Amino acid sequence: DAGVIQSPRHEVTEMGQEVTLRCKPISGHDYLFWYRQTMMRGLELLIYFNNNVPIDDSGMPEDRFSAKMPNASFSTLKIQPSEPRDSAVYFCASSYFGGQRYGYTFGSGTRLTVV
Amino acid sequence: GQQVMQIPQYQHVQEGEDFTTYCNSSTTLSNIQWYKQRPGGHPVFLIQLVKSGEVKKQKRLTFQFGEAKKNSSLHITATQTTDVGTYFCAGILSGGYNKLIFGAGTRLAVHP
Repeated sequence: DAGVIQSPRHEVTEMGQEVTLRCKPISGHDYLFWYRQTMMRGLELLIYFNNNVPIDDSGMPEDRFSAKMPNASFSTLKIQPSEPRDSAVYFCASSYFGGQRYGYTFGSGTRLTVV
Repeated sequence: GQQVMQIPQYQHVQEGEDFTTYCNSSTTLSNIQWYKQRPGGHPVFLIQLVKSGEVKKQKRLTFQFGEAKKNSSLHITATQTTDVGTYFCAGILSGGYNKLIFGAGTRLAVHP
């Protein structure tokens, strides 16, 4: 298995632009998580899905952030409009049975820079 | 809100010295997991502890879960330069939730 695949690896965009981050989870995993990592705030859980259904989005910073999972093999995280404070590394992770047996498998992340 | 606290924030050791990082939760955890993130990389799952008082070993790494299931530790014996990275503990709340709450991590630097 190729693991969790995220794209793009790097994204530089101007303030106000729309940004879409993509994630392909491991086949067969029923949970998908979006995390954001910064030096100041560490790893923050933004939202997670179970069987493509959003379960908890309490970590989504504000209405500018939205996430979808149209099917079991694809998820997107969208920021519109983007702001410089959104600059961070965004990780997607997937797991089987909520990670309570074999942990989470993280993708390589998308480093987002908003200028 | 639920927090998982981790100390120390940074640790610098000479190669061959031991290293320990500690994790504390304000509430009881269903389980505790440990991850390692190399510089520029992504978190990689190391191990999960579930039972009260559980101890697990992976070569030079020893993981413990407290009796009250509120704290945990990771101890590395005789560190090597390959141990460099940030070690995160992450807990799942008791009560059926499936989201991991990550500690802030301990960044380990190993000087040869």
